[in-house]
Amino acid sequence: DAGVIQSPRHEVTEMGQEVTLRCKPISGHNSLFWYRQTMMRGLELLIYFNNNVPIDDSGMPEDRFSAKMPNASFSTLKIQPSEPRDSAVYFCASSSGGGDTGELFFGEGSRLTVL
Amino acid sequence: GENVEQHPSTLSVQEGDSAVIKCTYSDSASNYFPWYKQELGKRPQLIIDIRSNVGEKKDQRIAVTLNKTAKHFSLHITETQPEDSAVYFCAAGGYSTLTFGKGTMLLVSP
Repeated sequence: DAGVIQSPRHEVTEMGQEVTLRCKPISGHNSLFWYRQTMMRGLELLIYFNNNVPIDDSGMPEDRFSAKMPNASFSTLKIQPSEPRDSAVYFCASSSGGGDTGELFFGEGSRLTVL
Repeated sequence: GENVEQHPSTLSVQEGDSAVIKCTYSDSASNYFPWYKQELGKRPQLIIDIRSNVGEKKDQRIAVTLNKTAKHFSLHITETQPEDSAVYFCAAGGYSTLTFGKGTMLLVSP
């Protein structure tokens, strides 16, 4: 398996623009996570899906952030409108743990810069 | 929710020395404690994990200890090598999600 695949790897955009980050989890994994990494706050869980259903979105900063998982092999994280403080590396991770926490397999991350 | 504190934030050692990173957690329901290594510009990758029914686990030069009563766990790296230089994250989890510590930057000097 190619692992968790994220796109784009780098995104530079201007404040107010819409940003869409994409993730393809490892085939067979039924849990998907979106994390945001910054120097100040470390790795923060934004949202967690199990079997394509959002289970915990308490980490989503505000209404500007939304995430979807239309099927088992694809998820998106959207920011609209983007702000400079959204600049971070966004990681998608998947696991086969389901309801039992297990190893997370991270993608390479999407580095977002909002000017 | 869970809160994980990690210390130190940076750690410099000489090659061959040991390194110890410590974490505390707040939620007594957490039962899974992994450690991830992140090299510069790369993704975090699991290096070792421990579950709450085990007090210690070892894998070659790395070991993790867990004290559930005190709610703390530690990563021990012996005979450090320059390629061990990276950021290390501890995490604590329960039923489905993981909460990460803020990371320790380990620098191993030749």
